[in-house]
Amino acid sequence: AQKVTQAQTEISVVEKEDVTLDCVYETRDTTYYLFWYKQPPSGELVFLIRRNSFDEQNEISGRYSWNFQKSTSSFNFTITASQVVDSAVYFCALSPFAGNTPLVFGKGTRLSVIA
Amino acid sequence: DVKVTQSSRYLVKRTGEKVFLECVQDMDHENMFWYRQDPGLGLRLIYFSYDVKMKEKGDIPEGYSVSREKKERFSLILESASTNQTSMYLCASTKREGNQETQYFGPGTRLLVL
Repeated sequence: AQKVTQAQTEISVVEKEDVTLDCVYETRDTTYYLFWYKQPPSGELVFLIRRNSFDEQNEISGRYSWNFQKSTSSFNFTITASQVVDSAVYFCALSPFAGNTPLVFGKGTRLSVIA
Repeated sequence: DVKVTQSSRYLVKRTGEKVFLECVQDMDHENMFWYRQDPGLGLRLIYFSYDVKMKEKGDIPEGYSVSREKKERFSLILESASTNQTSMYLCASTKREGNQETQYFGPGTRLLVL
């Protein structure tokens, strides 16, 4: 069975602080995909990143970075110099590499960035 | 640019009413999904469809049905709405190739059942 755990239900930070959102997953598959989505107050989930399990290199996109550690089954997301616009619910998700199956989502982490 | 639209952003219905939530995507995606989102529970999959006239139960199908008569449209039906179906409903779609494809979401429908 597959499972995604986002242990942090809510996080509050002051603007310009760095913040890391944790994601731990469980799967019996040897190959798989991991995703992060952002859900701003407007409600629509916005795709941020997809990472396959072959590639353990960290990725950086502007103020966003992702740390994939296969050894600890974690795919953590860091926002550097947070801004008020980063306030949202963030979801981590998992799917097998092959096939055509629905994503398994974590329960999400609500991030509030205070000015 | 992928576009997934949902018929209503906000909806208020009474207990016992039949409710239709419509989802349309314009990217010729084969796969479509319906989720509900509740505080503390995250996203839970209700139903999904891999092709026209096909449907698969997700994790919480009870009290819901779906219809996929056309490729671009996936409807979620609450046959007799109940207060515990008050929730945020999200539709999503992907290409047939599946797991390596990004799932795109609509803006969501906030349903209140009185």
